[in-house]
Amino acid sequence: EDQVTQSPEALRLQEGESSSLNCSYTVSGLRGLFWYRQDPGKGPEFLFTLYSAGEEKEKERLKATLTKKESFLHITAPKPEDSATYLCAVEDRYDYKLSFGAGTTVTVRA
Amino acid sequence: SAVISQKPSRDICQRGTSLTIQCQVDSQVTMMFWYRQQPGQSLTLIATANQGSEATYESGFVIDKFPISRPNLTFSTLTVSNMSPEDSSIYLCSVVGGADTQYFGPGTRLTVL
Repeated sequence: EDQVTQSPEALRLQEGESSSLNCSYTVSGLRGLFWYRQDPGKGPEFLFTLYSAGEEKEKERLKATLTKKESFLHITAPKPEDSATYLCAVEDRYDYKLSFGAGTTVTVRA
Repeated sequence: SAVISQKPSRDICQRGTSLTIQCQVDSQVTMMFWYRQQPGQSLTLIATANQGSEATYESGFVIDKFPISRPNLTFSTLTVSNMSPEDSSIYLCSVVGGADTQYFGPGTRLTVL
């Protein structure tokens, strides 16, 4: 059974204080690792897909990286609008089913 | 990415009743899923909604409790039957769009009293 563990559960940052979120996973055959952002009362918003170890993707202040056992989401110089819950999910082989971690709730104070 | 809408956005229901949630997509999609997000928890897959055939349910979810319809490639419904307070959750539909990425609807927040 696929397992996804995210840490920390919650992260409180000062505006401009860079940090990283961790997503460790076990899966029999990884097709892709996905990062989503979820704001309160809304559905998850797609951020990145990573397919192979060593791959990196960036979007504004966010950068996602992938190894064979974990992924990191780096937030550089965060702003209050980056406050959200960040979800990591893995897709096993080619069935399109996602297994989600519990998420990391990020709060950025001005 | 596909534009996904859900109705209702939220509802408060009495125990023992049923609620049907609608999911509409602005383009034809092959793969469509229903998830549940219980308070303070992450997303759990309920079932895959198959067009023209019965839905495929994940372990712990049964058709009698969560009947699903998928009459065409742009629409699906999920019914939560004989509700109890434990069914209070956010229910989300998702579709597989471009680059085989899964996109989510805005969710339906259900409270059962």
